[in-house]
Amino acid sequence: DAGVTQSPTHLIKTRGQHVTLRCSPISGHKSVSWYQQVLGQGPQFIFQYYEKEERGRGNFPDRFSARQFPNYSSELNVNALLLGDSALYLCASSLRRGQETQYFGPGTRLLVL
Amino acid sequence: AQSVTQPDIHITVSEGASLELRCNYSYGATPYLFWYVQSPGQGLQLLLKYFSGDTLVQGIKGFEAEFKRSQSSFNLRKPSVHWSDAAEYFCAVGAGDYKLSFGAGTTVTVRA
Repeated sequence: DAGVTQSPTHLIKTRGQHVTLRCSPISGHKSVSWYQQVLGQGPQFIFQYYEKEERGRGNFPDRFSARQFPNYSSELNVNALLLGDSALYLCASSLRRGQETQYFGPGTRLLVL
Repeated sequence: AQSVTQPDIHITVSEGASLELRCNYSYGATPYLFWYVQSPGQGLQLLLKYFSGDTLVQGIKGFEAEFKRSQSSFNLRKPSVHWSDAAEYFCAVGAGDYKLSFGAGTTVTVRA
């Protein structure tokens, strides 16, 4: 079975632009979480979606939004990009919400110039 | 809120030597604990997890970890390191809700 997939793998944007990152969970998994990993740090939780509803949100500004589709794939959107948004964005999937084992994708590396 | 501390930023170990990575967590109840490994430019791979039961947990690639409630620790060990173990290792804690809180990571360098 395929693992968590993310697209694109790399992305370069300029300040003020908007970006959409995509994630497909492991087949059968209904929960998707998004994390931001700045260089040299551990991942920071952004969102969790379960059954197409937001179930949790980390300490990120409203410029960050996400949604989950009926097939359980997910998009992360970031508006008005700042230089500090440059990071590796990781998607993780799990069977259900709550404290399940989360399996991570390879990430999307975003560079904001 | 839960938090994780990984005291060692960087560890260098000789191939064939043993490895121990430290992890201390802060959480009031019984936590869910994880170790992940990240190779350069890659995502996170789950090494092992602790939810309950036996406090010594076996994982993939010959790794094991021991949960010690009295010390709020979940240290990762490997008896004999291979060059392919060079990577960054993250300890994470879940508190029964929806998110994982990660430590800052420990970079492991393996010398021949």
